[in-house]
Amino acid sequence: DVKVTQSSRYLVKRTGEKVFLECVQDMDHENMFWYRQDPGLGLRLIYFSYDVKMKEKGDIPEGYSVSREKKERFSLILESASTNQTSMYLCASSFPLDTQYFGPGTRLTVL
Amino acid sequence: AQRVTQPEKLLSVFKGAPVELKCNYSYSGSPELFWYVQYSRQRLQLLLRHISRESIKGFTADLNKGETSFHLKKPFAQEEDSAMYYCALKSSGTYKYIFGTGTRLKVLA
Repeated sequence: DVKVTQSSRYLVKRTGEKVFLECVQDMDHENMFWYRQDPGLGLRLIYFSYDVKMKEKGDIPEGYSVSREKKERFSLILESASTNQTSMYLCASSFPLDTQYFGPGTRLTVL
Repeated sequence: AQRVTQPEKLLSVFKGAPVELKCNYSYSGSPELFWYVQYSRQRLQLLLRHISRESIKGFTADLNKGETSFHLKKPFAQEEDSAMYYCALKSSGTYKYIFGTGTRLKVLA
């Protein structure tokens, strides 16, 4: 069974803080993704990675960066958190051209 | 531009009634289309994909290229079908998925 885990289920941070969201998958998937999920807006792609150290911007990369130093781990970084980044963040992984498997999500609140 | 439209934010039906969750897409090539489901307090998971042409939990979806639609259907809704449903499109040859805004299905007893 594919396992995608995220480091925190709930996170509360203050405006201006640097925030790290971690995602780990155990299926040797090449592709990893970060989305944010907001009511009425669905899932929007922030960044994705198709190999170690390789990344591409998604539809809403502003205010975010990512890191993929190892195949199984994909980190989302908020350099200076803002209140409009309060959201549910979902990580996913997949083999190329295959189904995505999602993590449980991290609900981030920025005060 | 590539787009996935789910016109209904909320759909309420009675148990045993037929269900149809609408999904329309805008894409010039040959897309791959998916339905994902998120039950309460569970992670988002694949329900079905159009290339499989299979029925999962009684749900089916047919790709209609003429109408650019991929509606999700079930003849008799069950209470356990209550969930958030997302339609998604994947461009052929790319890694990117485009998700719709989701439809919350409530099946009433």
